[in-house]
Amino acid sequence: DAKTTQPPSMDCAEGRAANLPCNHSTISGNEYVYWYRQIHSQGPQYIIHGLKNNETNEMASLIITEDRKSSTLILPHATLRDTAVYYCIVRVSIGGNQFYFGTGTSLTVIP
Amino acid sequence: ETGVTQTPRHLVMGMTNKKSLKCEQHLGHNAMYWYKQSAKKPLELMFVYNFKEQTENNSVPSRFSPECPNSSHLFLHLHTLQPEDSALYLCASSGPLRGSGNTGELFFGEGSRLTVL
Repeated sequence: DAKTTQPPSMDCAEGRAANLPCNHSTISGNEYVYWYRQIHSQGPQYIIHGLKNNETNEMASLIITEDRKSSTLILPHATLRDTAVYYCIVRVSIGGNQFYFGTGTSLTVIP
Repeated sequence: ETGVTQTPRHLVMGMTNKKSLKCEQHLGHNAMYWYKQSAKKPLELMFVYNFKEQTENNSVPSRFSPECPNSSHLFLHLHTLQPEDSALYLCASSGPLRGSGNTGELFFGEGSRLTVL
């Protein structure tokens, strides 16, 4: 079962930062937070992941609260191609092959 | 191109047919997965194989029969399906989460769109 909750939908103006929240209040100490996105009818695409430190890559930034009970994915300059469903999931690090997806957040980037 | 290839991309079958979906990964991963995605529903994890051994079966009906002959190939055998089984079936693979460079993420194929008449 999914261990995360996300708002069902969000809008963001093109060029602005998109901040997508995720609640994972029951996360364990050895569980990582992963973010994926899925553009209509394609396979989900990996974005970023983290354990407890904030992370940044060429696609996005991940901010994890100090208590690790929630996180925020930041797309710094949203484009129309960022319109997708964004999934936040947790994964156990050692021997953990349980990737459970929740309902995700449908992000619409508005011109 | 993710390194995970699924065939066929589209499949139409009757309820009495027997067909198979195939997945192949060229990433050297040890784990492979089948997910089902019905219209307007989240991805449902069906099966997980780790080093060819099945480690997850999330109460999937027996009309879906997975097979993992080696760490690079995964099949989903289909027989006597129902119209409600029509969905996008996604295969994925992952490697272990290690320190140097391996992010342990899932790599997905493009999916096989199944329609059961």
